[in-house]
Amino acid sequence: GAGVSQSPRYKVTKRGQDVTLRCDPISSHATLYWYQQALGQGPEFLTYFNYEAQPDKSGLPSDRFSAERPEGSISTLTIQRTEQRDSAMYRCASSFSSGGTDTQYFGPGTRLTVL
Amino acid sequence: GQNIDQPTEMTATEGAIVQINCTYQTSGFNGLFWYQQHAGEAPTFLSYNVLDGLEEKGRFSSFLSRSKGYSYLLLKELQMKDSASYLCAVRTRRNDYKLSFGAGTTVTVRA
Repeated sequence: GAGVSQSPRYKVTKRGQDVTLRCDPISSHATLYWYQQALGQGPEFLTYFNYEAQPDKSGLPSDRFSAERPEGSISTLTIQRTEQRDSAMYRCASSFSSGGTDTQYFGPGTRLTVL
Repeated sequence: GQNIDQPTEMTATEGAIVQINCTYQTSGFNGLFWYQQHAGEAPTFLSYNVLDGLEEKGRFSSFLSRSKGYSYLLLKELQMKDSASYLCAVRTRRNDYKLSFGAGTTVTVRA
């Protein structure tokens, strides 16, 4: 696609519910990243994929968070048993590869609100 | 953890120059990025430095001193549309793809 897209753009859920967020990266991009961004802060790394492999998930806050990219393109981030502290903007980014000067292009984000 | 510091806010006048400083203390260093983020929008890439010195790109320039753990982004001939948050981000290892971001500097350009 022309840019990174994410859906839904806004999600409101009740505490304890599961949510799944979707990211569709730029079509030629091998590497996909998930970040969490609190209001007034910079993005915080959650995890990344190189094609379908997930070499680093060190930033996932707890085992309630998981991510997949089964066919090396679209990715989903799932949060189980949501808590109010999970409320944040979740941003996806993609890059052509993973090294050097490769720029990460960010999507518009999903604003998650947990009531 | 990684420590990346930048001022919270800066205000400048249209047509002026503003310099946004970023200092970092990280476990390693393999490149520093600057991103611009308008309110409610996604961050967009501005510049990348991995070697010491100045990189110029139109009205924007970025400087890096690895020995001092210091970078700055210079915005010249400020325009109203430059009002945004500017994020400094560091890649700490060659094969470590994630970026560690600072909290961002909100620049307000006044007429």
